[in-house]
Amino acid sequence: EVLLLESGGDLVQPGGSLRLSCAASGFTFNTYAMSWVRQAPGKGLEWVSGISDSGGRTYYADSVKGRFSISRDSSKNTLYLQINSLRAEDAALYYCARDRGNYGLAGFDYWGQGTLVTVSS
Amino acid sequence: AIQLTQSPSSLSASVGDGVTITCRASQDIGNDLGWYQQRPGKAPKLLIYATSSLQSGVPSRFSGSGSGTDFTLTISGLQPEDFATYYCLQDYNYPLTFGGGTKVEIK
Repeated sequence: EVLLLESGGDLVQPGGSLRLSCAASGFTFNTYAMSWVRQAPGKGLEWVSGISDSGGRTYYADSVKGRFSISRDSSKNTLYLQINSLRAEDAALYYCARDRGNYGLAGFDYWGQGTLVTVSS
Repeated sequence: AIQLTQSPSSLSASVGDGVTITCRASQDIGNDLGWYQQRPGKAPKLLIYATSSLQSGVPSRFSGSGSGTDFTLTISGLQPEDFATYYCLQDYNYPLTFGGGTKVEIK
C-alpha cells in the first residue's frame, strides 16, 4: 500500500523558516517524481514545487522561487521542503503528492493527508 | 505560467443528474490535463489523467474529454459521494497550475 506521511508543520513567525518532510512507503521511491501542493484555508489548490525521480531536476512556482527548496533522500524514502522567509500568504495545508511518472508532468496518483503551516506573530 | 479557468465555480444538482464542468487553458496544452476530486477535509483524489484516461478504481460515470485549450469533466448520474469540489490541473509544463475549482452541491 502506498503511503505518504507529511510532518513538520508548525506555527511560525513571519520571516521564519521551517522544513517539511514526507515519509514515503509502499513503492520504489527513487523511481517516481514528487511534488508539494498547498491549500490555504478555504481556498483552492496551488502547486508549489516538484522534483524528478533522481532529484536532479527541481521546479518551483513563481510565488515561492528563491525562498523554498525541495529535496529528497532516497536512503530514507523521504521528500523535503525547506521553507524560508515565511510570509502570511504561505499559511496553508501542505500536501505531498506522488507523480505518476519518473520525471513529472503526469498527474498525481497518491497524496498524503497534509501538514499545516501557520504564519503569525 | 499557463492559466486554467474553470466554470462554473459552483453548481447545485440532484442525485442522478448529469453534470458537466469545463476547464479552459490560456494556451494549447495538448491533452495534458487531469481532474481531481476533493471532499471536505480530505486530500485530493485523481479521477482522470491525460484528458480522458480513467484512473484505476474510479467509477465509469466519470469521463473527460477535450484537447488543446478546452476540456470537460462529465459525471453521469451523480451519486451522494460525488458532492465535492473538482479541480483541473495542467501537467503540460512547469509551473503546474490548477483551475480555481468547482463546488458541486446538493440541490
